[in-house]
Amino acid sequence: EDKVVQSPLSLVVHEGDTVTLNCSYEVTNFRSLLWYKQEKKAPTFLFMLTSSGIEKKSGRLSSILDKKELFSILNITATQTGDSAVYLCAVPPGLISGYALNFGKGTSLLVTP
Amino acid sequence: GAVVSQHPSWVICKSGTSVKIECRSLDFQATTMFWYRQFPKQSLMLMATSNEGSKATYEQGVEKDKFLINHASLTLSTLTVTSAHPEDSSFYICSALGDRSVAFFGQGTRLTVV
Repeated sequence: EDKVVQSPLSLVVHEGDTVTLNCSYEVTNFRSLLWYKQEKKAPTFLFMLTSSGIEKKSGRLSSILDKKELFSILNITATQTGDSAVYLCAVPPGLISGYALNFGKGTSLLVTP
Repeated sequence: GAVVSQHPSWVICKSGTSVKIECRSLDFQATTMFWYRQFPKQSLMLMATSNEGSKATYEQGVEKDKFLINHASLTLSTLTVTSAHPEDSSFYICSALGDRSVAFFGQGTRLTVV
């Protein structure tokens, strides 16, 4: 059975800190891993990772995938209160598209002033 | 990225009535859309997979007669909560698969049944 595990489940940091969120996965026929940010409403897409060792970057957020060790990390540098959200990691099942993503339980990040 | 629009964003209804939620892919065609339910501080729970032109596939434990799904076109799926009860109050989110299996989400609908 496919599995996506995120850690930590929750995290409280001060503004300016750097955080690292973890996502490990077990999936048959891996294609990609996706990161989403969910604030009060629905998740918004951050990154899609398909290849090991290639960092994806967007502003203060970056992510990298290790296909050998089956995990990904999401880094946020110089955190701001607006980064407070639940960060979700997801993996599509199998090689055939058209199936719902397998989500982890999420990491709830709170950035305090 | 692709845009998915969900409407309404919130709705309050009386027990026993039905509520319809719409999910539209605005700039791409989606043969498959997904409906999720999310309880406070929990992750997304897949309810059903909506397939254009055919019956939806429901997850175990989800009543298909209570949560009616229609996917009549490549850009529109609807979820109707029939005979709503207070325990149906929740946050409902739809998503559609865009390029390379990236899921794009609607804004979500907060349903309150009184």
